Amino acid sequence: DTGVSQDPRHKITKRGQNVTFRCDPISEHNRLYWYRQTLGQGPEFLTYFQNEAQLEKSRLLSDRFSAERPKGSFSTLEIQRTEQGDSAMYLCASSYGQGEGDEQYFGPGTRLTVT
Amino acid sequence: GENVEQHPSTLSVQEGDSAVIKCTYSDSASNYFPWYKQELGKRPQLIIDIRSNVGEKKDQRIAVTLNKTAKHFSLHITETQPEDSAVYFCAASRTGKLIFGQGTTLQVKP
Repeated sequence: DTGVSQDPRHKITKRGQNVTFRCDPISEHNRLYWYRQTLGQGPEFLTYFQNEAQLEKSRLLSDRFSAERPKGSFSTLEIQRTEQGDSAMYLCASSYGQGEGDEQYFGPGTRLTVT
Repeated sequence: GENVEQHPSTLSVQEGDSAVIKCTYSDSASNYFPWYKQELGKRPQLIIDIRSNVGEKKDQRIAVTLNKTAKHFSLHITETQPEDSAVYFCAASRTGKLIFGQGTTLQVKP
């Protein structure tokens, strides 16, 4: 499968624990995006990278969230001290180009449940 | 701030009828408007997109129209089929990040 992949697909954690998700984009894609989707809502932008540079981070993203893309390939999203409100589907998407009007391909998502 | 409003939130049509979903956006500099279809438990899939230099685009039974002056864009599905049943999201973009609408659940009754 040459599409966007995410790992794990499901994560259950207790409040206060740290979690880390991984996204592997389509191999030649230089842009990588993270979104969060809660039930019944559209995906909400979190952050994005062009190659290894993090170009924008949502103001909604608290300091507990951090993302990296160290070699411009895969990316990780870490949530520290998880809260019940962090429960959601975390989607990764990738694209090729300079960003304007480039089709974004989504991964299957990581569903996080914080108990 | 950047915002996309989508209506209706639910839409039920008979098979063979047309369906129309409408979106408005707030950022006048937005220049890319994709539509995604998301089936239950699946990832969003792009079905059609339009750029700001075009007023309308068609792909078989699907069409999208854009009115930049009014900051409106719409998705039109003709001859609907049961397999069109899903949640549809519009989005707007200026720098690459997508700002999504709240989604429309389309039900096509056989």
